[in-house]
Amino acid sequence: KAGVTQTPRYLIKTRGQQVTLSCSPISGHRSVSWYQQTPGQGLQFLFEYFSETQRNKGNFPGRFSGRQFSNSRSEMNVSTLELGDSALYLCASSFGQGARGNEQFFGPGTRLTVL
Amino acid sequence: LAKTTQPISMDSYEGQEVNITCSHNNIATNDYITWYQQFPSQGPRFIIQGYKTKVTNEVASLFIPADRKSSTLSLPRVSLSDTAVYYCLVGDTGNEKLTFGTGTRLTIIP
Repeated sequence: KAGVTQTPRYLIKTRGQQVTLSCSPISGHRSVSWYQQTPGQGLQFLFEYFSETQRNKGNFPGRFSGRQFSNSRSEMNVSTLELGDSALYLCASSFGQGARGNEQFFGPGTRLTVL
Repeated sequence: LAKTTQPISMDSYEGQEVNITCSHNNIATNDYITWYQQFPSQGPRFIIQGYKTKVTNEVASLFIPADRKSSTLSLPRVSLSDTAVYYCLVGDTGNEKLTFGTGTRLTIIP
């Protein structure tokens, strides 16, 4: 089985722009979670989706949003980019109804740099 | 939101047993404790998961005391390839948000 794929792998944007990141889960997985990783804050939970429904959301401003499609693929969007949004954005999929209690399989991440 | 803390770094020699502890005093009652390993430029990789007492698989053991406010990942007979950052992951009580630990950078010395 192919692993979790994320596109693009690298992205450079300027302040004020918006960005959309994509995640394709492992085939058969219906749960997708997103995380932000920075040297200062570590790994932080962004959102979790199951069957196109957002089940949980982390403590991030409304500029961060996401969605999941009927084929379980997911996208996250960040609007009005700030310098502090520079980070590695990781997507993970799991077989069960969510990340809790289930093994998560992570993609390689999208490295976003905001100038 | 309580912080889930780990030692920043640890060093160990090849062949030794390594124990990494995670403090999660605000863990949700019904939540699991999961540990992940991360190499540079890669996403985290699942190691082991447990709810209480002890869990063992082919690569690690996980020890969880009765109060579940901490957990210890045990790696037997480490090798150079175990050099990585290790994270615990728990659900926070009250808001059910998943919280990663601060991460422990493990360096194995030949």
